Amino acid sequence: QQQVKQSPQSLIVQKGGISIINCAYENTAFDYFPWYQQFPGKGPALLIAIRPDVSEKKEGRFTISFNKSAKQFSLHIMDSQPGDSATYFCAASTIQGAQKLVFGQGTRLTINP
Amino acid sequence: EPEVTQTPSHQVTQMGQEVILRCVPISNHLYFYWYRQILGQKVEFLVSFYNNEISEKSEIFDDQFSVERPDGSNFTLKIRSTKLEDSAMYFCASSDRQGAYGYTFGSGTRLTVV
Repeated sequence: QQQVKQSPQSLIVQKGGISIINCAYENTAFDYFPWYQQFPGKGPALLIAIRPDVSEKKEGRFTISFNKSAKQFSLHIMDSQPGDSATYFCAASTIQGAQKLVFGQGTRLTINP
Repeated sequence: EPEVTQTPSHQVTQMGQEVILRCVPISNHLYFYWYRQILGQKVEFLVSFYNNEISEKSEIFDDQFSVERPDGSNFTLKIRSTKLEDSAMYFCASSDRQGAYGYTFGSGTRLTVV
């Protein structure tokens, strides 16, 4: 019930391409869905987040698409750059009450120049 | 930009020894967290701390673990008797508000138990 499932585990994309990472959740009480970017030796850093009252949120080259009925959300990175090479984690939480983040397994993204 | 600072960056300890991982949260933050990440696996919640007490803890956070805010600036995680399976990256995070908004994670302490 608390799980967040993320796919793929690893992804290789050519520079300029679109990177897509998918997540699915089970707990319908989740109402906050952030994506974190992690570089080697660093902690996760918030990239972009969405609430379930909208189906899409865009910030620069990064877009979250959210499908409440399917309990799925995805991260799209447009015009992917070598500097985007990192591990990406989706997560879920509830705004009220529990403050913990439930993370997906992570996706290691490599952008080839 | 304000940072969450963790020390040491890497600690090696013998099985059965006690370790204390240290964190300096962002100064005006009131909510504090510890997470861990076993190599190659997902980040897992350990404990949240607010107003000098534990708000929530996971099943991982058993009697071997404790947290403390000994002064106005530090937030520590103690593992009383380390096991091999405690080897992981431990991340401290802090937030200025309730809920998962506004987390800032530190760079982590890599704990290796030998």
